[in-house]
Amino acid sequence: DTAVSQTPKYLVTQMGNDKSIKCEQNLGHDTMYWYKQDSKKFLKIMFSYNNKELIINETVPNRFSPKSPDKAHLNLHINSLELGDSAVYFCASTDHGDMDSMRQFFGPGTRLTVL
Amino acid sequence: KQEVTQIPAALSVPEGENLVLNCSFTDSAIYNLQWFRQDPGKGLTSLLLIQSSQREQTSGRLNASLDKSSGRSTLYIAASQPGDSATYLCAVRDYGQNFVFGPGTRLSVLP
Repeated sequence: DTAVSQTPKYLVTQMGNDKSIKCEQNLGHDTMYWYKQDSKKFLKIMFSYNNKELIINETVPNRFSPKSPDKAHLNLHINSLELGDSAVYFCASTDHGDMDSMRQFFGPGTRLTVL
Repeated sequence: KQEVTQIPAALSVPEGENLVLNCSFTDSAIYNLQWFRQDPGKGLTSLLLIQSSQREQTSGRLNASLDKSSGRSTLYIAASQPGDSATYLCAVRDYGQNFVFGPGTRLSVLP
């Protein structure tokens, strides 16, 4: 079973559109994250969600909004897509109740291309 | 603001060599440090996690050390194999829930 899954794997869309990327984890973790990896391969955290509460928003434009219907899901909605949004987006999860571990587990990524 | 750097940016070695990857961070107030591996077009796989109170962790041919006071961690790979070819990233976590990643070291192990 896949621990952290994302859909779609590839997403090609036009500027100005609104799109969503879905993420699900079956690890029972209490915290989920979204990361953006740009063309230079730099991985930067966008959001962290713990018990449906947003913990971090690292200067991300408000066109990006995380939505968590339950503890196992953290979806990423993007409005009015721009060329600069093209990147690979990774979802990850951690169990902060497991103090001896707290390893992050990553999804396979979603490659977003904005034309 | 925490900054993480990794040296070298790329490394190419013949199979069988032992090698060291370096990670440096500017703020020593970290909760833990994690090493990841990323294969082309794939997600990240956690290799080793070192808590701030620990000095090193080992898993198979991998050994990671942490010197928090000097802001450094090293990942030692023994007897490298072509299957070790990937990008290796280190990430530090602060006492909030913020993770900061380094830019990665791209490793090629030649058969």
